[in-house]
Amino acid sequence: EIVMTQSPATLSVSPGESATLSCRASQSISSNLAWYQQRPGQAPRLLIYDASARATGIPARFSGSGSGTDFTLTISSLQSDDFAVYFCQHYNNWPPWTFGQGTKVEI
Amino acid sequence: QLQLQESGSGLVKPSQTLSITCAVSGASISSGGHSWSWIRQPPGKGLEWIGCIQHSGSTYYNPSLKSRVTISVDRSKNQFSLKLRSLAAADTAVYYCARGVRRFDPWGQGILVTVSS
Repeated sequence: EIVMTQSPATLSVSPGESATLSCRASQSISSNLAWYQQRPGQAPRLLIYDASARATGIPARFSGSGSGTDFTLTISSLQSDDFAVYFCQHYNNWPPWTFGQGTKVEI
Repeated sequence: QLQLQESGSGLVKPSQTLSITCAVSGASISSGGHSWSWIRQPPGKGLEWIGCIQHSGSTYYNPSLKSRVTISVDRSKNQFSLKLRSLAAADTAVYYCARGVRRFDPWGQGILVTVSS
């Protein structure tokens, strides 16, 4: 099973600033990575797939990069509704797909 | 717009079986060659992929749950279902349905299932 490790666990950022979130896979997953946003009390929402492609309706301030084992989600000019928990998920070799433990972006 | 909605029993006794249904609206579950998945999230914790059913009807399960899980589809009702047997307290979680087999979009709002006597 591939282990996904996210860092940091919590990221404190001011509105208008940028946030950089990291996700590392325990083995190469090529570009088979997705990022999700989960606001309190809500279901996760797909942000990024194939490591760098934005899902439908996702603002350009969300960008993903990386391949192999190291990946990054960058959120530029943070807005109030961007403060949430972000999960990465691989879909390389299966089963199972696995998720990272999440990074909480707080004010 | 595609929407998913989970329904089922929110409180189940230990050793019993969890049954949850995901109603799909806004599109036919049989169209587009889509696959459908279940994911769960224990309170305050991360996400765990449970399994999926492909357009072909083939199912794939998380090896950690495989012996207890069944995912099925009812195309006449435009819904798919999850059954998880031999429940324990560790199965207490919000259970989500979602479209997709590799990446998941969209998700249902989730249903909290508590395993308790």
